[in-house]
Amino acid sequence: DAMVIQNPRYQVTQFGKPVTLSCSQTLNHNVMYWYQQKSSQAPKLLFHYYDKDFNNEADTPDNFQSRRPNTSFCFLDIRSPGLGDAAMYLCATSKHFGGNQPQHFGDGTRLSIL
Amino acid sequence: DAKTTQPPSMDCAEGRAANLPCNHSTISGNEYVYWYRQIHSQGPQYIIHGLKNNETNEMASLIITEDRKSSTLILPHATLRDTAVYYCIVRPSQGGKLIFGQGTELSVKP
Repeated sequence: DAMVIQNPRYQVTQFGKPVTLSCSQTLNHNVMYWYQQKSSQAPKLLFHYYDKDFNNEADTPDNFQSRRPNTSFCFLDIRSPGLGDAAMYLCATSKHFGGNQPQHFGDGTRLSIL
Repeated sequence: DAKTTQPPSMDCAEGRAANLPCNHSTISGNEYVYWYRQIHSQGPQYIIHGLKNNETNEMASLIITEDRKSSTLILPHATLRDTAVYYCIVRPSQGGKLIFGQGTELSVKP
């Protein structure tokens, strides 16, 4: 049973055209994360939400924003995608940020920029 | 930056044990060793974690050296479906974000 669901699996957008990626979870976890994974690289954390508290990584570009309207859903907004933003975007959840809580990942959305 | 070093790639014959090493020589006393794997076109999957004792679950075993400066993930009977990138991650006991290194690409061959 899918627990962290990302839709769509593949997304194509035009250079500079805003795009939104979505993530939902059935685990009722408090924390939701967004990672960026470029080709042949490891995943890199962009930001996370603990409940409604947003926590941005220091090196995440301003072009990337996030919304979490409720416990189950979290969105990644890219305001003006550039060619360098083409990547796999991974959503993950955990019960808490602290403690030994493994993160549960979705299968990602692969974003292409034309 | 990631605090772990792993070989970039390894091969293993199907049905044999796969032993994946990880060096974490700067690990602190309150830091755990976590292992995740990522099968092609999927998200990372949690495998196992440990502090200083060896751990085993239905997926794998984790052997941590006494000085905790290195560890080995063991897949006892590798199958073709175990072909993936395996990430070793050091994480504080109080939790926090995962910092992925480059991982080891394991190829299980028939």
